[in-house]
Amino acid sequence: GDSVTQMEGPVTLSEEAFLTINCTYTATGYPSLFWYVQYPGEGLQLLLKATKADDKGSNKGFEATYRKETTSFHLEKGSVQVSDSAVYFCALSKRAQKLVFGQGTRLTINP
Amino acid sequence: EADIYQTPRYLVIGTGKKITLECSQTMGHDKMYWYQQDPGMELHLIHYSYGVNSTEKGDLSSESTVSRIRTEHFPLTLESARPSHTSQYLCASSESGTGVYGYTFGSGTRLTVV
Repeated sequence: GDSVTQMEGPVTLSEEAFLTINCTYTATGYPSLFWYVQYPGEGLQLLLKATKADDKGSNKGFEATYRKETTSFHLEKGSVQVSDSAVYFCALSKRAQKLVFGQGTRLTINP
Repeated sequence: EADIYQTPRYLVIGTGKKITLECSQTMGHDKMYWYQQDPGMELHLIHYSYGVNSTEKGDLSSESTVSRIRTEHFPLTLESARPSHTSQYLCASSESGTGVYGYTFGSGTRLTVV
C-alpha cells in the first residue's frame, strides 16, 4: 500500500539555521502531498501542500517541492526561529481516499 | 480560529469509568476521523465516518466506539477506561467528493486513566 517515510528525529538546530526535513513516499498513481505542523499541546495544522509534480508549496517561510522522479517532498526553511519548534508530519492522499501520514519529525530550535 | 472543537482538552479519570470525548465541526464536512497519538508522536487512525449513520474501524484496533447521528458531531466513547487508554486523541474532518482534500484537526483531548 501507499506509505510515507520521514527523516528520523529529533532534529535540533540553532536559531537562524537552515532546515531540511526529508520526506519520501511510495504510491501508485498521482498523489497529492502535504506537510502538517503540530505545536506543543495542539492538533495538527496544514502547513503547505502540492497537488502535482514540480509544484512548490509554501507558507510561513517553509517550502517543499513535489519531485516525482525522486518520490520526495522535502521541507525546507532558510532561517528557523524558536517558534518553529514543533512536530512536522508529511502526508499523501489520492482522490477520495484517506490521508497517509509519516511518523512525524520533532524539531527543536535553540536560541 | 478553530472550526472543529474537541472537549474536554484534558481529562484524568479512574479505571473502569465510562467516558465520552466530544468532537464537533461547523464546516458541514461529511468525513470525520479519530486518531490516537502515542508519545512517540505517530498517528493511528482508530475510527472514521463518511456520513450520518456511517462508521468504520480504522487501522489500529481500539476498544472505543463512535457514533454519527448528526453531520457535525462525532463522539468517541470508552465504556470502561483502562490505563492502556492513556493517550492523546485527535479528531479531524474533511470535505467529501472526488478531489483531494486535507484534514482540519481539533486541538485534541489528552486522556489520562489512573
